[in-house]
Amino acid sequence: QQQVKQSPQSLIVQKGGISIINCAYENTAFDYFPWYQQFPGKGPALLIAIRPDVSEKKEGRFTISFNKSAKQFSLHIMDSQPGDSATYFCAASPLDDYKLSFGAGTTVTVRA
Amino acid sequence: KAGVTQTPRYLIKTRGQQVTLSCSPISGHRSVSWYQQTPGQGLQFLFEYFSETQRNKGNFPGRFSGRQFSNSRSEMNVSTLELGDSALYLCASSATGMPTDTQYFGPGTRLTVL
Repeated sequence: QQQVKQSPQSLIVQKGGISIINCAYENTAFDYFPWYQQFPGKGPALLIAIRPDVSEKKEGRFTISFNKSAKQFSLHIMDSQPGDSATYFCAASPLDDYKLSFGAGTTVTVRA
Repeated sequence: KAGVTQTPRYLIKTRGQQVTLSCSPISGHRSVSWYQQTPGQGLQFLFEYFSETQRNKGNFPGRFSGRQFSNSRSEMNVSTLELGDSALYLCASSATGMPTDTQYFGPGTRLTVL
């Protein structure tokens, strides 16, 4: 059973456009929300992460928005580039746990 | 600094066999976690080891087991393989295993069960 629900499964965006990926969770013990980026043939790599005490975190073209009351968070990729074409995973964990619960992943294709 | 290495990269086995996968963490990292990745399911947590002790285990049958050695290298074993075990098995290492501590993933071992 997926503890973190991620959508959409895939999306196609034009170069320069905005990619938006959404995740939702039910476990109120979750207190840490990272996003991972995975290229074909590689393992996932940490992209950006957020704690629920802030509603937004931005790193370069990547922004996480967090809505604690709705138990939802999302990743926005601004000015999408072909090099951003990858699979993106959201994840969540309690702070005192030793495992991450991942969403099912979103494959992003950026068309030049 | 060398990254996380996993061996072998590819494996083909038949149903009923058993398999052992190996993971060498980044030097100095004491936590190793294992995940199973399948299309549509994302990454499913298998277990986490720290200093040779299993601290957490996911919802997988007992056929899935693991261990960690004193040099932090880890192995996972799957006995009596089933077709549904075909997946990419990823290991990740971090210094402490805490979720806020960046986990570094290896490239994975692609297991195909025929």
